[in-house]
Amino acid sequence: EVQLVQSGAEVKKPGESLKISCKTSGYSFITYWIAWVRQKPGKGLEFMGIIYPGDSEARYSPSFQGQVTISVDKSITTAYLQWNSLKASDTAIYYCARRNTVNSIVHGFDPWGQGTLVTVSS
Amino acid sequence: SYELTQPPSVSVSPGQTARITCSGEQLPNQYAYWYQQKPGQAPLLVIYKDTERPSGITERISGSSSGTTVTLTISGVQAQDEADYYCQSQDTNATSSVFGGGTKLTVL
Repeated sequence: EVQLVQSGAEVKKPGESLKISCKTSGYSFITYWIAWVRQKPGKGLEFMGIIYPGDSEARYSPSFQGQVTISVDKSITTAYLQWNSLKASDTAIYYCARRNTVNSIVHGFDPWGQGTLVTVSS
Repeated sequence: SYELTQPPSVSVSPGQTARITCSGEQLPNQYAYWYQQKPGQAPLLVIYKDTERPSGITERISGSSSGTTVTLTISGVQAQDEADYYCQSQDTNATSSVFGGGTKLTVL
């Protein structure tokens, strides 16, 4: 069974750094892109960026370029989302999701992690 | 930047058919995907490649495409279908993805 299990909720102060994780299992980690998606309280889904674990190539949505860093650790089949200096506006639920691909055709983001709530408040 | 446009809300009575549209200029050239999100849960893929249904998704859910609009159809709507539904696709060069604003389906 393919599973993505995310790290637990975080409460941080503005200006602090943070790295949240997405532990994967049940499939070949290096052959599927992994995306990060933000959902602010009561709002819709926002695509942040995506990474290919095979070579760590990361692509970012223009809205998030320079604001976060996406990385992986192949040895433990885990993806990460990192901030150097959090802002109150970063308060949201963050989801990781595998981009399912069959014969080079994208079959959508499936499955998703359970989400990590990040609260940034002074 | 590329945008996908969905109606904010759709309401139907139980047993009726719900149709949720998603419009975007690149949809004739890029596949669309649909996700269902219930309160407190992660999104769930319900349609991929415009019309395909993942294993385990009810046959009451279907997708269609016409020009710059894709449509998610839920037939015989039940209370359990009440959720937010999001369309998603890729931009021109398929390097970035985008989600529609979401549609709240209310079962009256």
